[in-house]
Order: sequence, then C-alpha cells, then structure tokens
Amino acid sequence: EVVMTQSPLSLPVSLGQPASISCRSSQSLEYSEGITFLNWFQQRPGQSPRRLIYKVSNRESGVPDRFSGSGSGTDFTLKISRVEAEDVGIYYCMQGTHWPYTFGQGTKLEIK
Amino acid sequence: QGQLVESGGGVVQPGGSLRLSCTTSGFTFSTYGMHWVRQAPGKGLQWVTFIRSDGSSTYYADSVAGRFIISRDNSKNTLYLQMTRLRPDDTAVYYCVRGMGLWGLGTLVTVSS
Repeated sequence: EVVMTQSPLSLPVSLGQPASISCRSSQSLEYSEGITFLNWFQQRPGQSPRRLIYKVSNRESGVPDRFSGSGSGTDFTLKISRVEAEDVGIYYCMQGTHWPYTFGQGTKLEIK
Repeated sequence: QGQLVESGGGVVQPGGSLRLSCTTSGFTFSTYGMHWVRQAPGKGLQWVTFIRSDGSSTYYADSVAGRFIISRDNSKNTLYLQMTRLRPDDTAVYYCVRGMGLWGLGTLVTVSS
C-alpha cells in the first residue's frame, strides 16, 4: 500500500503567521490523464473531519482562501497564509489514486 | 448538501459481529460512491472500505478484508457495514463518508470482553 508521510507532526504557529504542512507519498499519485487524487482534511477538536482540498489544489466550497494546496507526483503541501484561532486541529493528507486509500499520520496545529 | 447518520455501534465481545448502518438524505444516494473510515480513540484516520454507486465493485483495507462486508440499498438510501470476527483493534469511531466530501458524525464500536 502507499505510505503517506506528513511533516511536521506538531505545528505551533502564532496567530496571523503562515503555516505549511508537507505530505510525501511512497509512490506517485498521478492517475491517468494527469489527475492526482490527493486530498487534505481538517479535524477540529471533537468534530468529524472535513475535506478542505481535493485533487491537490481545489478548495471545497466554503473553505477560506487562506488555505491552499500544491504539489505533484509524490510531494504535496498544504499552506495556510495567516493562521486564525479556528484553524486549530489536526490536518491529514489522503491519497485516493491507489487502492487501498491511505491517510497520513496527521499534523496537529496549535496556537503558540 | 446532504446528511449522513450512522447507527449500530456499541460494545461487542472479541470474535463477535455487528452491523452498522448509514442513513442518508438530501442528495441522490444512488449516484455516489460511499466509504467507511474509522478512527481509533486518540489516533488518526484509517480508510476501511468503499463501494461504487451501483454496488458493482467494493474495496477493502487489508486489515478488514475477509471480515467486513460493505453493501448498500439504493432503494432505502442506506449504506451498511457488516463486521464479523471483531478484534479489540477494531475499536474505533466509524464514519460514513460520501465520496470523501461529506462525513457523518460517526458511531463508536468498542470490542472488549
């Protein structure tokens, strides 16, 4: 199975500062025709996860534009341009190119 | 937008069985592939299984293959997860997920003697 490796696992950030999470896959996530099924999820404390980004860089409806996704092949990044208090939680990447789908370990974002 | 409501969780002994249901509303269930994803207490997310919109294909994580069966009834807008030969490491909140974009609140399964 494809192993998804996130870093860092803990991310203390001051309010208003940028944040970046890396996600690396053990094999390329490019599907045929150039589509890459790489998702980012946010799980706030006590809540169900919600998808922020799909296909590497597409924001879900209602997701603030301070969240952005980028990358290709095996290297992907989630960036938050200016962290707000409501961004506290755990962030997961997940690949949907190869069966079985697999998640990263999660990155815990906290306010410094 | 849609809503997913899981049910059927509870406490079961090792080796036992349980069937989870996911009742859906607010969207055309029969046009979406559906997943189950689980989260052990204090741990990360683990994808469990997927079924195509028409039920024609299913996929499983290695850890549950041969023990769990995903199914759906498009006439009832409901997704199921039949779990057998349960083990303590199956203890988790089980989420019903529509195409990875819509998640339910989850139902807790505890496998313990």
